[in-house]
Amino acid sequence: KQEVTQIPAALSVPEGENLVLNCSFTDSAIYNLQWFRQDPGKGLTSLLLIQSSQREQTSGRLNASLDKSSGRSTLYIAASQPGDSATYLCAVRKYSGAGSYQLTFGKGTKLSVIP
Amino acid sequence: EAGVTQSPTHLIKTRGQQATLRCSPISGHTSVYWYQQALGLGLQFLLWYDEGEERNRGNFPPRFSGRQFPNYSSELNVNALELEDSALYLCASSPLLQAGKNQPQHFGDGTRLSIL
Repeated sequence: KQEVTQIPAALSVPEGENLVLNCSFTDSAIYNLQWFRQDPGKGLTSLLLIQSSQREQTSGRLNASLDKSSGRSTLYIAASQPGDSATYLCAVRKYSGAGSYQLTFGKGTKLSVIP
Repeated sequence: EAGVTQSPTHLIKTRGQQATLRCSPISGHTSVYWYQQALGLGLQFLLWYDEGEERNRGNFPPRFSGRQFPNYSSELNVNALELEDSALYLCASSPLLQAGKNQPQHFGDGTRLSIL
C-alpha cells in the first residue's frame, strides 16, 4: 500500500527566505507526482506535475524535483512571500488496476511566511 | 473557463440522516473524483466516475455512494450519517481516461459537511 509522508508538518519562515518542503513515498512505481496548494477552507490548486520520467519541473518561484528510485520529492520555494502561506500537499499517482490511476496524498506541510 | 463547482458550500446534518453533495466538472472533463478530508486524516480517495460508470472506490463503507449523470456532473450520497463523517468533501475532474492519466486533477472548493 502506497504511503506518502510530508515533513515537516508545519513550517514558519520570515519573508524573503528560500525554503524546501519534503515528500517521501514508499512505492517507487509511480506514474507521476503532483504538488498542490490548499488555502484554509478551500479546495486544492495544482502547482506542479512531474511525470515519472522527469527529474524536475519549474513554475515561477517554484521548483519541484523527483527522485523516483529513492521515493523522494522536494518543493523549493524561492524568495518566500506572505501570500505563499498555505498548506502544501504532495500526491503520487499509481496504477491501481482495472484502468484506474489513483492519487495518494500526504497530510501536507502548513507554511506560514511572516512579514 | 469555469472551474469545478460544488454545492452546497456548507451542509449541517444530524446523525442518521442522509446527505447529498453535488459536483459539476470542468467543461470537457469526463472523469470525476470524490475525496474526503477529515481533520487530522488528510485527503482520502472516495470514488471515481468516468463516462457515467463507477471505476474505482476507496476504503469506505457502502453507505458512501454516488452517480455520474450524462452531462458528467456527479452526486455523492452519504446515508446513515455518523459523527466521523464530518469533513470537507472535495470533488476533482480530469479529461478523458487515456489522456487523463497524465493530466492534473482540478479541484473544487469543497462542501463542508458537519454532523451534529
